[in-house]
Amino acid sequence: DQQVKQNSPSLSVQEGRISILNCDYTNSMFDYFLWYKKYPAEGPTFLISISSIKDKNEDGRFTVFLNKSAKHLSLHIVPSQPGDSAVYFCAAGGSYNTDKLIFGTGTRLQVFP
Amino acid sequence: DADVTQTPRNRITKTGKRIMLECSQTKGHDRMYWYRQDPGLGLQLIYYSFDVKDINKGEISDGYSVSRQAQAKFSLSLESAIPNQTALYFCATSEPSGGQETQYFGPGTRLLVL
Repeated sequence: DQQVKQNSPSLSVQEGRISILNCDYTNSMFDYFLWYKKYPAEGPTFLISISSIKDKNEDGRFTVFLNKSAKHLSLHIVPSQPGDSAVYFCAAGGSYNTDKLIFGTGTRLQVFP
Repeated sequence: DADVTQTPRNRITKTGKRIMLECSQTKGHDRMYWYRQDPGLGLQLIYYSFDVKDINKGEISDGYSVSRQAQAKFSLSLESAIPNQTALYFCATSEPSGGQETQYFGPGTRLLVL
């Protein structure tokens, strides 16, 4: 039973437009959520996070929105750049699980000129 | 220098062979993890360690073992490699901060079992 789901395996967006990556979860016990970015031949790198007590967190071009009632979070990238092309993983953690992270399956974002 | 390093970066081995993947970190974190990534399956936790004397199984520990030689070193062994262990393996470290854990990953080891 997958607790963190990314239902879109891929997304293609034109440079300068908004990229929206989605993530759904099933467990209301999660305390926080993170987004990681992964380039080929590299490990995932931390991008942005949000606490379950907030509904929005912004860092430059990246904003994460959390809708707890829908158990849904999204990552917005505005404006999208070719260097944003990567695989994005959402992850969830909480003290109930000794803070071990549970990862989604990833969404491959391609930003084209 | 990278904070989390993994050796080797690529490895080809044969069915039945024993192999070891190594991870070292300079971040000073107590917590270390081993994951595998398969296409379409995301990152699955194999083993984790919250300090040198603490070792715990993750979701998919069968066929694997680990050793935490020091705070900075966490090794993953495949006792008798099989083809379905062909995958990308990642080591990660973390330390609680501000009410959450952020994990920092190594560059990965690509393993092919023939």
